[in-house]
Amino acid sequence: KQEVTQIPAALSVPEGENLVLNCSFTDSAIYNLQWFRQDPGKGLTSLLLIQSSQREQTSGRLNASLDKSSGRSTLYIAASQPGDSATYLCAVSREGTSGSRLTFGEGTQLTVNP
Amino acid sequence: NAGVTQTPKFQVLKTGQSMTLQCAQDMNHEYMSWYRQDPGMGLRLIHYSVGAGITDQGEVPNGYNVSRSTTEDFPLRLLSAAPSQTSVYFCASSYSAWRGYEQYFGPGTRLTVT
Repeated sequence: KQEVTQIPAALSVPEGENLVLNCSFTDSAIYNLQWFRQDPGKGLTSLLLIQSSQREQTSGRLNASLDKSSGRSTLYIAASQPGDSATYLCAVSREGTSGSRLTFGEGTQLTVNP
Repeated sequence: NAGVTQTPKFQVLKTGQSMTLQCAQDMNHEYMSWYRQDPGMGLRLIHYSVGAGITDQGEVPNGYNVSRSTTEDFPLRLLSAAPSQTSVYFCASSYSAWRGYEQYFGPGTRLTVT
């Protein structure tokens, strides 16, 4: 059974700091890994999608890497801002009996202090 | 595009009542799914559908029923609500059921069962 772990569970940093969020998964047979952002009381917003054949993806100040063989991904946020405060979730996609299925980690709650 | 929409946003039920959570998408996506999010448990897959007329069970299907008569709609029915079904419910969709396409989430329905 696929298990996804995110460390740390919570992180508080001052504005402007660069930071790394970690995600690990137990089964390397994945299609892709997706990073999401969730604001309090809101839905999930997709940030980055890395296919299993890729090593990294970038969007603005965000960079996500994937090492499928070791079962690890990192989300790097450069020059953090208070608006980045949210919970960040990673999820891996793998084949099920009727299509791909996502398994989520529990998330890292990020607070960026002004 | 409105993306993935869910109604209602909030709902309070008494134990034993039934109700339907609505989900619709206007992106002509083949794959739709329902998750529940609980503290300490992350997001867990309830049911999913790989196309109109085709549904399958996810990780926690008991107490829920789904059907998919159109590509756009994927309602989730609670047959006889129980306090254990108090949760936040998210609907998601993606272009295809296979190969792990990016998934898009609705804003969620917050359900309380008393």
